[in-house]
Amino acid sequence: RKEVEQDPGPFNVPEGATVAFNCTYSNSASQSFFWYRQDCRKEPKLLMSVYSSGNEDGRFTAQLNRASQYISLLIRDSKLSDSATYLCVVTSLSGSARQLTFGSGTQLTVLP
Amino acid sequence: EPEVTQTPSHQVTQMGQEVILRCVPISNHLYFYWYRQILGQKVEFLVSFYNNEISEKSEIFDDQFSVERPDGSNFTLKIRSTKLEDSAMYFCASSDSGDTQYFGPGTRLTVL
Repeated sequence: RKEVEQDPGPFNVPEGATVAFNCTYSNSASQSFFWYRQDCRKEPKLLMSVYSSGNEDGRFTAQLNRASQYISLLIRDSKLSDSATYLCVVTSLSGSARQLTFGSGTQLTVLP
Repeated sequence: EPEVTQTPSHQVTQMGQEVILRCVPISNHLYFYWYRQILGQKVEFLVSFYNNEISEKSEIFDDQFSVERPDGSNFTLKIRSTKLEDSAMYFCASSDSGDTQYFGPGTRLTVL
C-alpha cells in the first residue's frame, strides 16, 4: 500500500468551478499534513498546512480526518493560475527532523 | 522574502563522475534536507541534517551519497560515482522548526 495516495487525476475544469482533491495516508503516526503545489519542472511550494479543525485560506479549504487518515483540499472559483500539480504531503518524525512523504500528485488544469 | 537557493540549475555529467550539488538554506534555519524527483515520478526523501550530522536517510541514500555543511551557509550533496539512474531533479529544503519545509528551485542532474 502506498504511504500517501491521491486521486489519480488529471482534473480539467472550467474557470470558476469548484474542485476537490482527496488523499489518504497509511502511517497513523504521521504528525503534520500539508498541501504543496508544483508547477511543471519547478520546486514544490507550500500551499497550506492542514489541521483537524479545518482551515481556510481564501479560496482554498483543507480538512484532515485523523480517524480515517484522510486529507482533502477544496478550491473554489478556480483561476487559470491554479493550474498545477497538487501534492499531498505528510510528515513523520525521524531522528531530530521531520521527513516529508509525498503523494504522486494530482494534476489540475483550469480551462478558460 | 528569504529563500533557498541552489546551484547549478542544471548539471550534465558522465557516468562514473563525481558531482557536488550546492544549496544555501534560509539563513536562520536549522534543519536541512535533500529530496529528489525522477522525471514523471513523485518527490522522494533522501536525507535530513541537523546539528551538523545526518538525522535520517532513506534507502536511496547509499554509500555513493554524502552531505556536508562546509561553512555557515552552504549545504552540499555529493554523489561519488554517478549512475544513469541518478538523473533527476534534486531539491534542497530547509526548516526552522523541523516541520514546515521550504524548497529551493532544484538542480537538474543529467547523467550520460
